[in-house]
Amino acid sequence: KNEVEQSPQNLTAQEGVFITINCSYSVGISALHWLQQHPGGGIVSLFMLSSGKKKHGRLIATINIQEKHSSLHITASHPRDSAVYICAVYNTDKLIFGTGTRLQVFP
Amino acid sequence: DTGVSQNPRHKITKRGQNVTFRCDPISEHNRLYWYRQTLGQGPEFLTYFQNEAQLEKSRLLSDRFSAERPKGSFSTLEIQRTEQGDSAMYLCASWLAGYNEQFFGPGTRLTVL
Repeated sequence: KNEVEQSPQNLTAQEGVFITINCSYSVGISALHWLQQHPGGGIVSLFMLSSGKKKHGRLIATINIQEKHSSLHITASHPRDSAVYICAVYNTDKLIFGTGTRLQVFP
Repeated sequence: DTGVSQNPRHKITKRGQNVTFRCDPISEHNRLYWYRQTLGQGPEFLTYFQNEAQLEKSRLLSDRFSAERPKGSFSTLEIQRTEQGDSAMYLCASWLAGYNEQFFGPGTRLTVL
């Protein structure tokens, strides 16, 4: 079993809908990253959080440390949100990554 | 642009050849990480440096792989006697100690024929 699990693996949505991507982890962490990866490989950090909730534009990330679970929400999804979203946790000074969720948003 | 650069962006080589990749981190960042990502998977940790010291190496890093960060600035990752299984995206990230955020370079995509 992977130390960081994401669901769903693939997600197709119509423009405008509310999207949730889930991340569960089984190791102790000091923080959790949500990352976005576009075709071509570049990875961009969306959020780093260790408790509670953060919001940036249409993106919201939450974490429940006791349940070892985090969610990434996208409100009013748009085709430009199409990308791979990766959850990664900090464990002993290094990141452990989930396998990613491939999101496609259609007009 | 995150401020982390990697060269080359793409490398095609024949099996058995040696390749070297370079990563230039954000200048004041004291930690530098190397990751490998194969198709459809998340990145996997390979090794990291604090300044010029290599502090940890994954068991994924066989003896054909070597990484250096000679002056605590840029880093190189060399793969000797490449194999087809080495084909992957090699990602570099830098981190300023005390801030739990890594900044990723664009990656070097290696194809071993």
